[in-house]
Amino acid sequence: RKEVEQDPGPFNVPEGATVAFNCTYSNSASQSFFWYRQDCRKEPKLLMSVYSSGNEDGRFTAQLNRASQYISLLIRDSKLSDSATYLCVVNTGKLIFGQGTTLQVKP
Amino acid sequence: EAGVAQSPRYKIIEKRQSVAFWCNPISGHATLYWYQQILGQGPKLLIQFQNNGVVDDSQLPKDRFSAERLKGVDSTLKIQPAKLEDSAVYLCASSLVGGSSHEQFFGPGTRLTVL
Repeated sequence: RKEVEQDPGPFNVPEGATVAFNCTYSNSASQSFFWYRQDCRKEPKLLMSVYSSGNEDGRFTAQLNRASQYISLLIRDSKLSDSATYLCVVNTGKLIFGQGTTLQVKP
Repeated sequence: EAGVAQSPRYKIIEKRQSVAFWCNPISGHATLYWYQQILGQGPKLLIQFQNNGVVDDSQLPKDRFSAERLKGVDSTLKIQPAKLEDSAVYLCASSLVGGSSHEQFFGPGTRLTVL
């Protein structure tokens, strides 16, 4: 079993749609959690940290469920510029990256 | 502020050849990481340095990979000899302090193709 599992997609959605990505992790002792964004042939960049209380940054909302070992990312009002791969990342003492979920927003 | 610099950006070699990659982290960042990202996968940590000391190299294939950060600033990653399965993007990242809860800033990567 992979340490961090994500549905690779791709998710194809129209502009303005709401889309949600999920991620599960296997190590119950994981310390902190993140979503990174990676554009095609570019380096990953931190999108947001994920907290148990949930956190929101504009159109992006991240949630963590420690009991279920589950992380989510919700994107509202999708923009063309949101097209990218979203990497779920878990800190077990080092960062463990999921394989990423690809989002393609269509006009 | 200048980001993480890496060179070369692209490298094509034949199997059994040697190759070296260079990374210059963001100024003042004590921690430096090398990741391997195979197509369709997320980055995988190869080695982590804190200043010039190795913190974690548990996933570095030490029979063929080596890395150093002699003066605690820039770093080199070497593969000798390369195998076909080493084809990947090699990403260098740095963070201000150690502890993976701190944001890591990635360089543009070196895309290695082994023929």
